[in-house]
Amino acid sequence: ILNVEQSPQSLHVQEGDSTNFTCSFPSSNFYALHWYRWETAKSPEALFVMTLNGDEKKKGRISATLNTKEGYSYLYIKGSQPEDSATYLCAFSTDKLIFGTGTRLQVFP
Amino acid sequence: GAGVSQSPSNKVTEKGKDVELRCDPISGHTALYWYRQSLGQGLEFLIYFQGNSAPDKSGLPSDRFSAERTGGSVSTLTIQRTQQEDSAVYLCASSPHLGGAVETQYFGPGTRLLVL
Repeated sequence: ILNVEQSPQSLHVQEGDSTNFTCSFPSSNFYALHWYRWETAKSPEALFVMTLNGDEKKKGRISATLNTKEGYSYLYIKGSQPEDSATYLCAFSTDKLIFGTGTRLQVFP
Repeated sequence: GAGVSQSPSNKVTEKGKDVELRCDPISGHTALYWYRQSLGQGLEFLIYFQGNSAPDKSGLPSDRFSAERTGGSVSTLTIQRTQQEDSAVYLCASSPHLGGAVETQYFGPGTRLLVL
């Protein structure tokens, strides 16, 4: 059974703080790792698809890194804003997505 | 263009009743996926369609669950004789081509099912 773990489970930060979370996944038979943002009452929104060891992707204040040899990815948010409050999901990809349980981020003004 | 839509957005039903959940994928998307998230759990894969066929039904939790897709478009997930443990958010996603590891999946807003 493929296991994808995310930590921490939840995080509360002040506006302006930078933060990061971790996704751990199986390091064998790696194809791709996906990051999604899921705001309450909305659809999960794709952030990044990462495929290469050492990959680094950036979208505005959000960036992600990938280490396929050791099986982890970090998501960073620089200068968190209240609108960043959401659950951040990572998913290990085979022919389907195997999701972690997510990190729930709350940013207080 | 329009995204993935799902209906109903919320459904409350009594234990033992059948329910049907509908998904309209993005027009032209070949692959369609169903997932669910039970309370306190991660998103769990249920079934995947390539066109109208379902090459992977491995995630369906029991034979009370079935799904079909017609015309390469709309999909219906049916749960027969619902149980309280079926209560969850059911999410549908679609992707442009034949699926695959690196293709982004575009999600609908989900159907929140509560079985009393």
